[in-house]
Amino acid sequence: GESVGLHLPTLSVQEGDNSIINCAYSNSASDYFIWYKQESGKGPQFIIDIRSNMDKRQGQRVTVLLNKTVKHLSLQIAATQPGDSAVYFCAETPDYKLSFGAGTTVTVRA
Amino acid sequence: NAGVMQNPRHLVRRRGQEARLRCSPMKGHSHVYWYRQLPEEGLKFMVYLQKENIIDESGMPKERFSAEFPKEGPSILRIQQVVRGDSAAYFCASSPPGTKKETQYFGPGTRLLVL
Repeated sequence: GESVGLHLPTLSVQEGDNSIINCAYSNSASDYFIWYKQESGKGPQFIIDIRSNMDKRQGQRVTVLLNKTVKHLSLQIAATQPGDSAVYFCAETPDYKLSFGAGTTVTVRA
Repeated sequence: NAGVMQNPRHLVRRRGQEARLRCSPMKGHSHVYWYRQLPEEGLKFMVYLQKENIIDESGMPKERFSAEFPKEGPSILRIQQVVRGDSAAYFCASSPPGTKKETQYFGPGTRLLVL
């Protein structure tokens, strides 16, 4: 399953499908963006980052897209696995103070 | 290379007691940040420290909260005379030295419960 454009607090995905998690940020001055994954009882784990001079960056099974015009960030996860179940946060900063979004809880169905 | 270490992982205090949370940054990292997370919410910035210096404490409550990062030893977040509203998860992050914005890597957090 996927959600495009709209931030949803929860996302249920069939194992093997692609996931898209959206995030709207508020600070026009932000120039550094990070996606974190947080599993229950643990700290945020770095997934991927992107700077404002780019609009796309790819990692292993993940892609981050940045649209500065509409202040929108998305994380795409290819071939979603059970281990991807977690809360995903986007974070933005113009300096060093990270501002976190509300988070999206991703649940992977077997 | 060990990640960011925090202890204790869980801390229970009664109202009016003091809470001390410790954070050891990743090896080679000299910048430490503290964040607080309330249930079902994202993390909120509290304070940014470098060795022996508080760089930005704009997110810290004005009273009862203090932070330090001494020349030797871990960074400490201290909460005096705790109240129930202080119950939260407190996360420490660290980043390497440098003027360029660097990724902040988080520790496992300390979950504080005030009875």
